[in-house]
Amino acid sequence: EAGVAQSPRYKIIEKRQSVAFWCNPISGHATLYWYQQILGQGPKLLIQFQNNGVVDDSQLPKDRFSAERLKGVDSTLKIQPAKLEDSAVYLCASSLRGHEQFFGPGTRLTVL
Amino acid sequence: GQNIDQPTEMTATEGAIVQINCTYQTSGFNGLFWYQQHAGEAPTFLSYNVLDGLEEKGRFSSFLSRSKGYSYLLLKELQMKDSASYLCAVRPWDRDDKIIFGKGTRLHILP
Repeated sequence: EAGVAQSPRYKIIEKRQSVAFWCNPISGHATLYWYQQILGQGPKLLIQFQNNGVVDDSQLPKDRFSAERLKGVDSTLKIQPAKLEDSAVYLCASSLRGHEQFFGPGTRLTVL
Repeated sequence: GQNIDQPTEMTATEGAIVQINCTYQTSGFNGLFWYQQHAGEAPTFLSYNVLDGLEEKGRFSSFLSRSKGYSYLLLKELQMKDSASYLCAVRPWDRDDKIIFGKGTRLHILP
């Protein structure tokens, strides 16, 4: 079974630029999550999708972050414009309802 | 509110046993996860406890006491590859599959 795929693996941008991350969950997993993990911290949930609907985006900084999951499969997370404090690893995870979450390898973002 | 506490760092010796504690205060409780995360990699699932008691899986065991809001992860016969961060995470509600992570415990294994 293929795991959660993410791209790119690494991204370096300057502040005020835009960036987008892509995630392809495990086939059949209806729930998809985007997390932000700052160095030395645990993952913080940014947004959770159930199929193509948003379940929770309470911690998503909506003035600069956006996410979509068209057709209930792949998802993209965008930051526009980026700030220095957005430097982190962005993890995508997926799950079957009521089971553990499977994480992708993450995208390490550095904002200069 | 939600609060999950675990030690920031621990050190243990190869071949020994280590116990990583986690205490939680959440608005609801429907289960507790432990994840392992090697540096630069994604978290991987270790265990999930819903009921009180000890769940054993090879060298790793996880314990839960719901009444005390307490869990621990026990690692036996430590190996160098066990050097990683261990994340405690709580599922507060049953309805939406959201889990809340603690900050993680960085475990260093010495030869």
